[in-house]
Amino acid sequence: SYVLTQAPSVSVAPGKTAKITCGGNSIGRKSVHWYQQKPGQAPVLVIHHNSDRPSGIPERFSGSNSGNTATLTISRVEAGDEADYYCQVWDSSSDHPVFGGGTNLTVL
Amino acid sequence: EVQLVESGGGVVRPGGSLRLSCAASGLMFDDYGMSWVRQAPGKGLEWVSVINWNGGSTSYADSVKGRFTISRDNAKNSLYLQMDSVRVEDTAIYYCARRRGFGSGSYYLDSWGQGTLVMVSP
Repeated sequence: SYVLTQAPSVSVAPGKTAKITCGGNSIGRKSVHWYQQKPGQAPVLVIHHNSDRPSGIPERFSGSNSGNTATLTISRVEAGDEADYYCQVWDSSSDHPVFGGGTNLTVL
Repeated sequence: EVQLVESGGGVVRPGGSLRLSCAASGLMFDDYGMSWVRQAPGKGLEWVSVINWNGGSTSYADSVKGRFTISRDNAKNSLYLQMDSVRVEDTAIYYCARRRGFGSGSYYLDSWGQGTLVMVSP
């Protein structure tokens, strides 16, 4: 089945830009979605269809997808952005979501 | 505003059974597929099961196939997960989530409940 690979952790200073990547075979041909999960809370959708933001999600969150890598970019990082971030695609052959292992974002 | 509220979690012995429920409000429930996703302590998200809008199509992760059954009652705006023959490794927070998208290949989960904890302990 399809595998998504994420780095376990990323660190960034406040005000800087964080890039969280999600690797997969020809992932650029798929729709990638991103979730933010803060400690003790349920996941929240922050990007769908590679680069679309749901209402209420700050413009600082953006996404891109090409080749074998999808990227979630968080600009002007704030302390409140500390969380785990998961990428997801849908396996259409087996009809189920596939999640990456998650990346823990630390704001220094 | 979409609200999904899970219930039914608790402590259960290995080999036992548990039925989780998810009450939905603020949406046309029978317009959407629904999913259960779980998260073991300190671990990432793991998909468990998916059901389409009318219950006519379901799918399960290999880890739960043959032991768990997903179902829904559109008249009650409710989603269920019957968990039988539970194992220690089923210990997790179980979330229900609404499926959105424009067809297989583009689906995502746009609304999540707060989760219910299932602990399988001897």
